[in-house]
Amino acid sequence: GDSVTQTEGPVTVSESESLIINCTYSATSIAYPNLFWYVRYPGEGLQLLLKVITAGQKGSSRGFEATYNKETTSFHLQKASVQESDSAVYYCALGPSNTNKVVFGTGTRLQVLP
Amino acid sequence: AQTIHQWPVAEIKAVGSPLSLGCTIKGKSSPNLYWYWQATGGTLQQLFYSITVGQVESVVQLNLSASRPKDDQFILSTEKLLLSHSGFYLCAWSLEAEVFFGKGTRLTVV
Repeated sequence: GDSVTQTEGPVTVSESESLIINCTYSATSIAYPNLFWYVRYPGEGLQLLLKVITAGQKGSSRGFEATYNKETTSFHLQKASVQESDSAVYYCALGPSNTNKVVFGTGTRLQVLP
Repeated sequence: AQTIHQWPVAEIKAVGSPLSLGCTIKGKSSPNLYWYWQATGGTLQQLFYSITVGQVESVVQLNLSASRPKDDQFILSTEKLLLSHSGFYLCAWSLEAEVFFGKGTRLTVV
């Protein structure tokens, strides 16, 4: 089946440090999956951070970047310098499946220390 | 702009009691609608999806049911809650494979 594996949290980094949250995927029912990073800030709903629908392309938003690598089946999330306001739970996801399903990873809780 | 509203925000319910969670989408006609669930420490799982009024497909069996009585409304329910139903429930709609979520309902079954 389709699956997503991401860095197990919690991840704790200090402000202005760099960050990478790993994500690898397996897409058996989707020939050309779209890849997403979603984020849930404390007290808020789940929202899209960035998406990439073409292999080899990079998506970016709010200083975060992720490159769709079909060879390594990876979609790692990176940021050069994190801020305390980046503290949240980050979900890697792929979709859609033949049931219109988006498959999520387990989520990675990020805590940025001031 | 499209908005998605879920209710209630949180519920504490007894084992064996009934449950009804609701979701309304405004600003989008005939959306694809979804219910997702996340157990504490678990991953987000899609439970149901609906392409049109009156039509609901089950993806994961959890002794829950879903209905779509109107184009903009999606209901998740059960007549008898289990402890294992505790978790976070998210309603969502999609456009071109991108999924937009409500703020969710936290359910605690005691």
